[in-house]
Amino acid sequence: EAGVVQSPRYKIIEKKQPVAFWCNPISGHNTLYWYRQNLGQGPELLIRYENEEAVDDSQLPKDRFSAERLKGVDSTLKIQPAELGDSAVYLCASSLDQGGSSSYNEQFFGPGTRLTVL
Amino acid sequence: GENVEQHPSTLSVQEGDSAVIKCTYSDSASNYFPWYKQELGKGPQLIIDIRSNVGEKKDQRIAVTLNKTAKHFSLHITETQPEDSAVYFCAAPSSGGSYIPTFGRGTSLIVHP
Repeated sequence: EAGVVQSPRYKIIEKKQPVAFWCNPISGHNTLYWYRQNLGQGPELLIRYENEEAVDDSQLPKDRFSAERLKGVDSTLKIQPAELGDSAVYLCASSLDQGGSSSYNEQFFGPGTRLTVL
Repeated sequence: GENVEQHPSTLSVQEGDSAVIKCTYSDSASNYFPWYKQELGKGPQLIIDIRSNVGEKKDQRIAVTLNKTAKHFSLHITETQPEDSAVYFCAAPSSGGSYIPTFGRGTSLIVHP
């Protein structure tokens, strides 16, 4: 079974430029997550989708970040314009439906996209 | 929200020794605690988890213990091997009904042959 696929793996851009990341979750996984991982730290959630609906985006900087998950499968995360502080690894993860606090389904992470903003 | 503290930040051991990584959390309602291993250039991978209705769980060379009263949980790796070298993260659920993990800052484990 294929895991979570992300592209590109690496991206170098100049500040103020736009950038987009793409994620293909594991087949059958309805829940999709985007995380940002700064150097030397753990991942931090940016947004979570249940099918095509964004159900938790409180940590997404909405002035410059946007995301979509058309048809409830693939997802795209965009930054426009990028700032120096956006340099990080952007991780996508997927899981089966989250059943609430008493039922946790394992999250499977992709390899991430390493973004460098110059 | 949940606050997760993890230590040490780096841990260097000789092959065959044991390694212990500790985490504390703040939300007494938290009830699910996974541990992830992240190798260079890869995403985190779940290696073991524990729920609050048990105090210890083992899977071959790895084990996790949970002390709900003290709000801390630990990862134990016995008979370490060079391939255990990686960054390990603990996590606890953020407040709310759905599971969104709050990760610790990670522990870089180096196992010397």
